Amino acid sequence: GIQVEQSPPDLILQEGANSTLRCNFSDSVNNLQWFHQNPWGQLINLFYIPSGTKQNGRLSATTVATERYSLLYISSSQTTDSGVYFCAGGVRALNFGKGTSLLVTP
Amino acid sequence: GAVVSQHPSRVICKSGTSVKIECRSLDFQATTMFWYRQFPKKSLMLMATSNEGSKATYEQGVEKDKFLINHASLTLSTLTVTSAHPEDSSFYICSATRAALNYGYTFGSGTRLTVV
Repeated sequence: GIQVEQSPPDLILQEGANSTLRCNFSDSVNNLQWFHQNPWGQLINLFYIPSGTKQNGRLSATTVATERYSLLYISSSQTTDSGVYFCAGGVRALNFGKGTSLLVTP
Repeated sequence: GAVVSQHPSRVICKSGTSVKIECRSLDFQATTMFWYRQFPKKSLMLMATSNEGSKATYEQGVEKDKFLINHASLTLSTLTVTSAHPEDSSFYICSATRAALNYGYTFGSGTRLTVV
């Protein structure tokens, strides 16, 4: 199956800082999504972005499908941004990366 | 739109019993649903793809006789963990997608199963 590599695995930021999370895929995907998993386990959809760029408030994402990677940008981070961020992609089912655990400190 | 409801959210059962988890798409028809398993502080592992009206497709290493999947309608898929053992304790999450393109996948809120 498709392998999904996420980096960095862990990230600590001070409030107000910006960050970039990256996701590489071993093969081309038709579907690509970024999620934030809350402490209760719920996956919150951030972006469905198989290609191109999207923005939603302080978050934006870019996928370069031809080079099989995607980036998630978090600007002016807040403590509420803390948690685990997953990217997932695939042709039919989504295959998940191992996640980036983000901690934003006051 | 695109809400997926999963029940129960939490269940504790005794070893040897079976547990059924339901996944419903509330406001759309899902011809395909997916079941995942997540261990603590780990990623989500795809277990199987549930197809309405046909047999589920299981990923390599997933025991189809232990994890029974039924997709009887366009809005409901069920996962039954049969003869549960403590090692089956985990967080199970379902997902569904609309047939239309460019919509993405919606996930249920998950079921935390503890087998004692």
